[in-house]
Amino acid sequence: DGGITQSPKYLFRKEGQNVTLSCEQNLNHDAMYWYRQDPGQGLRLIYYSQIVNDFQKGDIAEGYSVSREKKESFPLTVTSAQKNPTAFYLCASSGASGSFAYEQYFGPGTRLTVT
Amino acid sequence: AQKVTQAQTEISVVEKEDVTLDCVYETRDTTYYLFWYKQPPSGELVFLIRRNSFDEQNEISGRYSWNFQKSTSSFNFTITASQVVDSAVYFCALSEAGIYNQGGKLIFGQGTELSVKP
Repeated sequence: DGGITQSPKYLFRKEGQNVTLSCEQNLNHDAMYWYRQDPGQGLRLIYYSQIVNDFQKGDIAEGYSVSREKKESFPLTVTSAQKNPTAFYLCASSGASGSFAYEQYFGPGTRLTVT
Repeated sequence: AQKVTQAQTEISVVEKEDVTLDCVYETRDTTYYLFWYKQPPSGELVFLIRRNSFDEQNEISGRYSWNFQKSTSSFNFTITASQVVDSAVYFCALSEAGIYNQGGKLIFGQGTELSVKP
């Protein structure tokens, strides 16, 4: 089945540690996105990538980093510089290099807790 | 500036009632797309519908219907004869065309949490 996988579903880390969240898609989509969701709030864009080896900052990129070495994969690293990393992280993908006209498809999310 | 407002934070209805979720948007562009997504308790967002700014026809899909009115910048979502399985958070989103949106970024509303009680 085609879709987006994110692992793990729940992740716990100590403050000061970097952590990498995985996102893989087999939809053959060009564009991939990372969003952050806090309780009772909408989604905020962290980073996005329209093609391999290229990515752009979203609205809240500080304290995060990404890579796009393969079309299928777009891992997100939450660094120790991120002041409030505890949140629900959602990965998405979209066809046609992320044209504004295309819907995004989402993975199941990773709930990160940092203590 | 572009913005999506979902003024209803929470709605609670009894099964079989009809319910309308409101969405109002602001955009500087004449070409844009609007979307609705459903987020059940599992957390994954499920795509429901896409509508472009040049198509104001209402759409119906089973118990779901959408009313797009450019004159009021609204894209409201109605569930007819609601069911317990409709309980979820629903998000409205906007995607603008052209130079303002390299990469198809979505602007989300805050979401409306719908609770359907048996």
